[in-house]
Amino acid sequence: AQKITQTQPGMFVQEKEAVTLDCTYDTSDPSYGLFWYKQPSSGEMIFLIYQGSYDQQNATEGRYSLNFQKARKSANLVISASQLGDSAMYFCAMRGRNTGNQFYFGTGTSLTVIP
Amino acid sequence: KAGVTQTPRYLIKTRGQQVTLSCSPISGHRSVSWYQQTPGQGLQFLFEYFSETQRNKGNFPGRFSGRQFSNSRSEMNVSTLELGDSALYLCASSLTGDRYNEQFFGPGTRLTVL
Repeated sequence: AQKITQTQPGMFVQEKEAVTLDCTYDTSDPSYGLFWYKQPSSGEMIFLIYQGSYDQQNATEGRYSLNFQKARKSANLVISASQLGDSAMYFCAMRGRNTGNQFYFGTGTSLTVIP
Repeated sequence: KAGVTQTPRYLIKTRGQQVTLSCSPISGHRSVSWYQQTPGQGLQFLFEYFSETQRNKGNFPGRFSGRQFSNSRSEMNVSTLELGDSALYLCASSLTGDRYNEQFFGPGTRLTVL
């Protein structure tokens, strides 16, 4: 079975600083995808970034980058130059071939950006 | 391109009633998944539909059911509502549901059971 662990229930970061949100996963699936989503207080889940298990390079999307360490089974999200609008819940998720590509989500990290 | 839409956005029901939630995926997306989100349990997978067939199912009782139409629109139904069914129900669509496809979520339906 797949398991996603996010050990930081809440994080604070100063505006314009960088922040790292941790995510570790457990899977025996040889082929899987890792995803990060943002959920503002409005409730909608917003896709941020994707990393495939066979990708050699870390994924980047604007101010978001994914620090993928396959051997350690970690997929940390790095947000650079934090903005007030980044305050939200952040979820790490994965889906794998051997589990029917079903999405598994972590419990989330609540990020607060301080002006 | 229009995003995933869900109707209604808010719903209040009483115990024992049934409810139907609707989801329209992004045009061209054939996979639709449903999730239940509660403060205590987090995001839990309900089921996934692809080309009108249920392809995956989470660990929920039979009171939770769904279907997908030929235009990929999906509905989920909860019968005999219980207080614990109060949650945000999220629908997500993806192109094929392959592990390399990201899912795009709708705004959710917030269900309150009294």
